Amino acid sequence: QSVLTQPPSVSGAPGQRVTISCTGSSSNIGAGYDVHWYQQLPGTAPKLLIYGNSNRPSGVPDRFSGSKSGTSASLAISGLQAEDEADYYCQSYDSSLSGSVVFGGGTKLTVL
Amino acid sequence: QLQLQESGPGLVKPSETLSLTCTVSGGSISSSSYYWGWIRQPPGKGLEWIGSIYYSGSTYYNPSLKSRVTISVDTSKNQFSLKLSSVTAADTAVYYCARQSRARGGPNWFDPWGQGTLVTVSS
Repeated sequence: QSVLTQPPSVSGAPGQRVTISCTGSSSNIGAGYDVHWYQQLPGTAPKLLIYGNSNRPSGVPDRFSGSKSGTSASLAISGLQAEDEADYYCQSYDSSLSGSVVFGGGTKLTVL
Repeated sequence: QLQLQESGPGLVKPSETLSLTCTVSGGSISSSSYYWGWIRQPPGKGLEWIGSIYYSGSTYYNPSLKSRVTISVDTSKNQFSLKLSSVTAADTAVYYCARQSRARGGPNWFDPWGQGTLVTVSS
């Protein structure tokens, strides 16, 4: 069981918009810790997609956006493309148990 | 452009110690702006943070692994290392090293990541 909860899978047709949720608690997201998102293409290392809740690193298309509210965060992908098919992970920090970096369980995005 | 590369044995026997090294190139490991971390991913599963180290040697570990983990840094070689003791088959995973931002003084996002190395625990 991951500290941060993500849906196991989401899907969408090319051109559509999908969102991936990341639900935490009062000891992590709800405590004000930032949420970061990663994209992992098949057989490759994770790549930073969103940092600090809503910031995109250089080179990440503006089709990807992040938001945070209360004890949850969301990743939105608009204008879905075939190459967006990947696993997506959220990450934050949890202040319980002496403090720990925590990841969500991951969400598999399928482009139909 | 900063790059990280993991190295170490791909096969470790049960009850032994897993040892990996991450070599950093294109930048200094002694930067005050970053931690350096280890993350693992069992086959077909999600990401698990193992621990992180600051160039001064200050460490923080995943509480669930803390009793078996040691992370160290060698600034002269621009490397940091992972030791995981008493391994079992459950420790079989791809192990990644990554740079971790210290934005606002705390542990934050990981970027970039090494390509990862598969370590199998088997006799």
